[in-house]
Amino acid sequence: AQSVTQLGSHVSVSEGALVLLRCNYSSSVPPYLFWYVQYPNQGLQLLLKYTSAATLVKGINGFEAEFKKSETSFHLTKPSAHMSDAAEYFCAVSPTGTASKLTFGTGTRLQVTL
Amino acid sequence: ETGVTQTPRHLVMGMTNKKSLKCEQHLGHNAMYWYKQSAKKPLELMFVYNFKEQTENNSVPSRFSPECPNSSHLFLHLHTLQPEDSALYLCASSPMGGLDTQYFGPGTRLTVL
Repeated sequence: AQSVTQLGSHVSVSEGALVLLRCNYSSSVPPYLFWYVQYPNQGLQLLLKYTSAATLVKGINGFEAEFKKSETSFHLTKPSAHMSDAAEYFCAVSPTGTASKLTFGTGTRLQVTL
Repeated sequence: ETGVTQTPRHLVMGMTNKKSLKCEQHLGHNAMYWYKQSAKKPLELMFVYNFKEQTENNSVPSRFSPECPNSSHLFLHLHTLQPEDSALYLCASSPMGGLDTQYFGPGTRLTVL
């Protein structure tokens, strides 16, 4: 069985500041990990995914995430927040080889202020 | 039309009504999914179809009935729903049901009165 915990349902940062969204996972097998973003009134869009290759994964819109097995974490970061980054972000995990069976976290809403 | 589309975008129905949600993907994918997104709860996978065959039913109540007539279309038939079924229903598709990225539609916001 697998699960995902996203710490902080709401995160607020100033424009230009570092964005850090936390995700910890639990999985009985080596996991595949994903970050999705959901803008208002839209579906989810894949930001990036870890599939057991490089532990530092770069995604779209300047986001990246690092897989840390020892910490069972897959935190999402962006060096400089932009107003357009305001959205809800979801971390998800799936057992290796079965990306169709995603288990999602509860989401973190990112607010970007001037 | 590109990507994954869903209709209607908003639906209000009474508990005795029968309605259907429609999803269409224009990506040539072979796997399609229904998810339920409720406030303050994780996204819940409901059904998975691969090549029109249902491969996953995540203990969904029978008042939700999926239909996949072909790889491009997916329906969710609704009948005698409860107010707690009010949620955003998201459809997704992927090339296959394995490692491929899922592409999501914008969802249907369902309100059950």
